[in-house]
Amino acid sequence: GAGVSQSPRYKVAKRGQDVALRCDPISGHVSLFWYQQALGQGPEFLTYFQNEAQLDKSGLPSDRFFAERPEGSVSTLKIQRTQQEDSAVYLCASSLGPKSYEQYFGPGTRLTVT
Amino acid sequence: GESVGLHLPTLSVQEGDNSIINCAYSNSASDYFIWYKQESGKGPQFIIDIRSNMDKRQGQRVTVLLNKTVKHLSLQIAATQPGDSAVYFCAENPHGNNRLAFGKGNQVVVIP
Repeated sequence: GAGVSQSPRYKVAKRGQDVALRCDPISGHVSLFWYQQALGQGPEFLTYFQNEAQLDKSGLPSDRFFAERPEGSVSTLKIQRTQQEDSAVYLCASSLGPKSYEQYFGPGTRLTVT
Repeated sequence: GESVGLHLPTLSVQEGDNSIINCAYSNSASDYFIWYKQESGKGPQFIIDIRSNMDKRQGQRVTVLLNKTVKHLSLQIAATQPGDSAVYFCAENPHGNNRLAFGKGNQVVVIP
């Protein structure tokens, strides 16, 4: 595929359920980012991977949020015990490498917690 | 899809006119700036970027201007087209690395 893909595109979860959101970055891109975007707001940084290493997770809002990229390609963002305030669009972006700042975004996963 | 432009500053522009979108950034340490376009239900799409050692950069129909003295960034779109209707975000790298911080968006509405 030519771009970043994310699945599912839409997810509805009952409060307290766990969810897993997947990101397939552009092939060969070393850097991968997760963002959270609330309605009407700009994306907010969550976490950053360089290959399989999670170098920055300072944006994760609580310990219910966990991200991994075990083989340095596909990444999963997991949210445990979802709360209503977790409802947002979760965006994944990738870039060629740590010195390449141009990030390419996927379409996002819209999470609605009821 | 849902609108990402609720309660955002809105610029209404006639088709064919030029658009200017402004952004104030916050951190003097930022040395990279980027503009994204986001259409409803889609992820942000790269438009143009600029590094702090430049004050102007041009692309196809777009120009970015950087004024470091007043920490101001602008995006100019020439001959605005209906397809330019979207929310536009500026972003900077306040930590001097590849981590981006996004500003508040600006909704552009092109009137045919």
